[in-house]
Amino acid sequence: AQKITQTQPGMFVQEKEAVTLDCTYDTSDPSYGLFWYKQPSSGEMIFLIYQGSYDQQNATEGRYSLNFQKARKSANLVISASQLGDSAMYFCAMREVYGGSQGNLIFGKGTKLSVKP
Amino acid sequence: SQTIHQWPATLVQPVGSPLSLECTVEGTSNPNLYWYRQAAGRGLQLLFYSVGIGQISSEVPQNLSASRPQDRQFILSSKKLLLSDSGFYLCAWSVRRDGYTFGSGTRLTVV
Repeated sequence: AQKITQTQPGMFVQEKEAVTLDCTYDTSDPSYGLFWYKQPSSGEMIFLIYQGSYDQQNATEGRYSLNFQKARKSANLVISASQLGDSAMYFCAMREVYGGSQGNLIFGKGTKLSVKP
Repeated sequence: SQTIHQWPATLVQPVGSPLSLECTVEGTSNPNLYWYRQAAGRGLQLLFYSVGIGQISSEVPQNLSASRPQDRQFILSSKKLLLSDSGFYLCAWSVRRDGYTFGSGTRLTVV
């Protein structure tokens, strides 16, 4: 079974609007971390935001926020006020502390976001 | 400051030739080191990770190997490349379990 599922292969958003990128995960580990990375066309992986499974509040980093719904096992990324530079691939990832992935980062297949002017 | 260096940035190699990709980190000690591969238009697949010098764990059986001769050096190798080895290879490190930093990647094309 897939550990990380990103159901949106591609998304379009108008500049200055908000967009939500979906991510669901599968784990039986009570302790885990969820990450979002941005990959522009240059290929580098840029860390955006992190949410721990025991964190009480949703993580926020500038224009990025993580809508963490633990019971639904979802960790959607919300980008507010989209900019042209936000056009990129976005990857959701999970790290289990005790699970089968041995603490390593497991990635989803990604969502390609295109921001329209 | 902590940095990670990965080279070369691009590489074109014939089938059957050897491969050596190098990754080094600076500004940290005893990091966990990782090699990931990304096929065109797809997510990242963990290939190898290392928690210390000489300690290598393989996630996917293949004709690639990894070595860690020094604390801050991680090398990905192959004796004979296959067409299917083409992809984007990323090195990463972590010290705290909640932080992974990636190198700039190597785009490998096997022809």
